[in-house]
Amino acid sequence: DAGITQSPRHKVTETGTPVTLRCHQTENHRYMYWYRQDPGHGLRLIHYSYGVKDTDKGEVSDGYSVSRSKTEDFLLTLESATSSQTSVYFCATGSGMSANYGYTFGSGTRLTVV
Amino acid sequence: GQQLNQSPQSMFIQEGEDVSMNCTSSSIFNTWLWYKQDPGEGPVLLIALYKAGELTSNGRLTAQFGITRKDSFLNISASIPSDVGIYFCAGQAVGGSQGNLIFGKGTKLSVKP
Repeated sequence: DAGITQSPRHKVTETGTPVTLRCHQTENHRYMYWYRQDPGHGLRLIHYSYGVKDTDKGEVSDGYSVSRSKTEDFLLTLESATSSQTSVYFCATGSGMSANYGYTFGSGTRLTVV
Repeated sequence: GQQLNQSPQSMFIQEGEDVSMNCTSSSIFNTWLWYKQDPGEGPVLLIALYKAGELTSNGRLTAQFGITRKDSFLNISASIPSDVGIYFCAGQAVGGSQGNLIFGKGTKLSVKP
């Protein structure tokens, strides 16, 4: 396993507040990803990173930003949380240029925005 | 964007039965992957397929890379209660963004003892 740790595992926050989720990996994987999982939608890519300080948007990036200042850490920030961002968030890592070997996922963060 | 159509969306079966699910796309894929997600956990890779026609097994699970390269199948034989979970297909499309997988929406499997 890639040794992926997501924190916190659960969070309840109020609408309009900023929230930061953390993903930490110990396997020195170059690629890191943030997904959200909602019933009926499967896994949807929010943002991804292909190296330190190199990030790009996924299909549902509005309202989210990311930062990667170190190989091992990938942060997801909700600038001003809304109820539509209530979801389970997964971080994943990939070891190579190609996704052929698949990703390794963390255990997820359940975020509730009230 | 590219999409994967995974079916069925859910299955409710009796313990001991065999299970089949599939994933299709309008695009050609060069890699197909199957993941399982247990309740409260992240998806875990079960099987990876890299060649058209390839058939790969992992215990009671067997997956195939379709010869058209636009589909893949997962079979589970003699299901047991611990097979419960959500099964996702994923793939990398030819010409797609390198390093990025496309995921199906999942098949939720429930097993009745």
